[in-house]
This record gives sequence, structure tokens and C-alpha cells, in this order.
Amino acid sequence: DIQMTQSPSTLSASIGDRVTITCRASQSISNWLAWYQQKPGKAPKLLVYKVSLLETGVPSRFSGSGSGTEFTLTISSLQPDDFGTYYCQHFHYWTFGQGTKVEIK
Amino acid sequence: EVQVVESGGGLVQPGGSLRLSCAVSGFSFSNYWMRWARQAPGKGLEWVANIKEDGSTTQYADSVRGRFTISRDNAKNSLFLQMNNLRAEDTAVYSCARERTGDGAFDIWGLGTMVTVSS
Repeated sequence: DIQMTQSPSTLSASIGDRVTITCRASQSISNWLAWYQQKPGKAPKLLVYKVSLLETGVPSRFSGSGSGTEFTLTISSLQPDDFGTYYCQHFHYWTFGQGTKVEIK
Repeated sequence: EVQVVESGGGLVQPGGSLRLSCAVSGFSFSNYWMRWARQAPGKGLEWVANIKEDGSTTQYADSVRGRFTISRDNAKNSLFLQMNNLRAEDTAVYSCARERTGDGAFDIWGLGTMVTVSS
């Protein structure tokens, strides 16, 4: 099975910082990779699909990139509403990464 | 307005059974694959099961195969998860989600229903 490993597990950043979350696959995968944001007590929200396509309504400060085994989600300028836990997901048995918790300093 | 509302969770003893329901409105339910996913307390997301638009194909995570059954009633815009032989490690919030056609993303999620397996 393909494993998805996210790093870091937790990050703390200031408003306006550029933030990057990495998702590594245990073997090369296609472009069927998505990113979600989840806030406490809320349903996950789709941010990016097919590696780099931004979901409708998601602010343009979010972007996705990558290929092969390494993928990134970048927030170009962290905003107060961006706290939460971020998950990558690949469509091999719909495997999720373990999550990256983003805290605002 | 799109709505996805899960129900049926609760406290059950190990070895017991529970049937979860997911009521959908606001989109053409019969045109989409649907999924169940779960999240144990303080843990990450885990995919549980899938079902094709017409119910003809189902898929399960190894952790639930043989114990859980996913089904749907397109006439009633409803998704179900029958859970048998429950274990403590099945304790989680169970959510249904829609797979968007063409890119595999889970684009619509419910808030979920809590299942607690404990004696």
C-alpha cells in the first residue's frame, strides 16, 4: 500500500508568513492528490485537487504543487482564518496523510 | 442548498451492531460515488468505504472489511453503513462524503455522527 507522510506535524507561524506543508508518498503517484483543511468540530474542506487546482472559493493565497513522491501545499501569506489541521489525500485506497496542525503565533 | 446529514451514532458494546444513515439533499445523489470516512478522537482522517452511483460496486478499508456494509437508496437520497462486530478501535466520528466526478476529490462532507464502542 502507498503511505502518505506529512511534515511537519505541527507548525506555528505569524500572520503574513509563508507556510509550506509537505506530503511525501512511499512511491511515485499520479496527480490524484488533494489537500483539505479541517477546523475543530467542522467537516473537512477541500482546498486543492489534482495536485495544483484550486477549489472554487478558496483564497488564492493557497497553492499546491509537486510530482512523483513529493507534494506541497503553500499558504503565501498566513491569515488568522487559516488555523486548523491540513491533510493530503491520495486516491490509492483514498489514503490520507496524518495531518499538519497549523497554529497562529 | 447542499446538505449532508449523518445520524444513527451512539454508544454500543464491543461485538454489537449499529446502522448509520446519511441523508442528502441539494444535488443529484444517484449521479455520484459516495464514501464513508471516520476520525477517531484526536486522530486523523481514515477512509472506510465507497459505493458506486448505482450501488453495484463497493469497496472497503482492510480495517472494516467483512464487518461493515455500505449501501444506498437512490430513491430516498440516502446512504447507509451497517456496522457489525464492533470493536473499541471503531470508536470515531463517521462522516459521509461525496466524490466529485472526474477528479476523485471528496468535495462535500457531512459533520458526522459519533460512534462509541465501549463496555
